[in-house]
Amino acid sequence: DSGVTQTPKHLITATGQRVTLRCSPRSGDLSVYWYQQSLDQGLQFLIQYYNGEERAKGNILERFSAQQFPDLHSELNLSSLELGDSALYFCASSVSGTRLNEQFFGPGTRLTVL
Amino acid sequence: TQLLEQSPQFLSIQEGENLTVYCNSSSVFSSLQWYRQEPGEGPVLLVTVVTGGEVKKLKRLTFQFGDARKDSSLHITAAQPGDTGLYLCAGARDSNYQLIWGAGTKLIIKP
Repeated sequence: DSGVTQTPKHLITATGQRVTLRCSPRSGDLSVYWYQQSLDQGLQFLIQYYNGEERAKGNILERFSAQQFPDLHSELNLSSLELGDSALYFCASSVSGTRLNEQFFGPGTRLTVL
Repeated sequence: TQLLEQSPQFLSIQEGENLTVYCNSSSVFSSLQWYRQEPGEGPVLLVTVVTGGEVKKLKRLTFQFGDARKDSSLHITAAQPGDTGLYLCAGARDSNYQLIWGAGTKLIIKP
């Protein structure tokens, strides 16, 4: 158990809909990262938040947005969903600010868009 | 653009064989991490190497960081079916410690 929690574990929805994925980082970690992983692919970095503020952006679509709240949990919002958005979405957390930047991953949310 | 290239992309071998996975870049990293991911689960951190030339061992797994901190290797001795998974390397940029991820090596160990 990494200490990072994600909900829901599975999500099935239709094209055009909007969903929200939730992540709670490990106790003490200030950074939260969101990743997308399509079937049999590597991790695609989407976005990072540090202590409530956006720190870095990766290949995140304009239809996607995220935020980190004062209690440090984070939400990833996906809107106008398309079939190609079906994937595993992972949240990771780290202490951040160190050269190690070791990340600890949650169990993921499997999103299926029909 | 910093890239981290992993090879091979896919490896299927028999139990008991040895194997090496490589992670190469033209850029210098402040540290490099190896993760293992099992199907449907999140990646799990195996090891972090920090110093050029560093070697770390985790049971049958040996990790090495290149002298110039641009590349790394993972060697598994006497592979077992439990080693099956996706192995990912990630390097922390020298400038801001952001992680650059390799595409992964899918490893299957057949009993």
